[in-house]
Amino acid sequence: GAVVSQHPSWVICKSGTSVKIECRSLDFQATTMFWYRQFPKQSLMLMATSNEGSKATYEQGVEKDKFLINHASLTLSTLTVTSAHPEDSSFYICSATPRSSYEQYFGPGTRLTVT
Amino acid sequence: GQNIDQPTEMTATEGAIVQINCTYQTSGFNGLFWYQQHAGEAPTFLSYNVLDGLEEKGRFSSFLSRSKGYSYLLLKELQMKDSASYLCAVTPRPGNTPLVFGKGTRLSVIA
Repeated sequence: GAVVSQHPSWVICKSGTSVKIECRSLDFQATTMFWYRQFPKQSLMLMATSNEGSKATYEQGVEKDKFLINHASLTLSTLTVTSAHPEDSSFYICSATPRSSYEQYFGPGTRLTVT
Repeated sequence: GQNIDQPTEMTATEGAIVQINCTYQTSGFNGLFWYQQHAGEAPTFLSYNVLDGLEEKGRFSSFLSRSKGYSYLLLKELQMKDSASYLCAVTPRPGNTPLVFGKGTRLSVIA
């Protein structure tokens, strides 16, 4: 099956700094990728839709200036958490769907801890 | 709006059968997914239903009734490793669109 990778798998940063998370589709091209966030014991909540070559579409309540998304190529999307706060600590997961497939493939997730 | 309901927690015995129900009310419907998620890991795909009926895949089966907005995931011959969260998710529109997830059902398999 298709593989989606994320880097880093975990990161600890200080409050006020920025963190970049990468999401790559390893064996297929993805014009669209999705970024989800999951707090402990809760389900995945969609943050934004990342579109190759155009601006991301953000869900209501997600600050686009705080969560910067760049989809620079057909295999890479990045999420940058700017001026991180402890409440941004969460599990961030990306997903992508190959063309002619209905299944969304998820990356392994990135656990962000802001101290 | 989008609403997907499933029980928060369930407990079952090793070797038994358990059924996890999911009801949904979404603005559209183009398929229902079940994912398994172990703590601290990303979800892994279990099943996909877009037409009414039962889809069987080994120990796992998934059922869909579109008219009732209802699905269930059936796990047979439960094993300890089946202890995980099970997420019901709907894709409301055709094409490459994001999933709407339920809150997940935490299943504990006990000896």
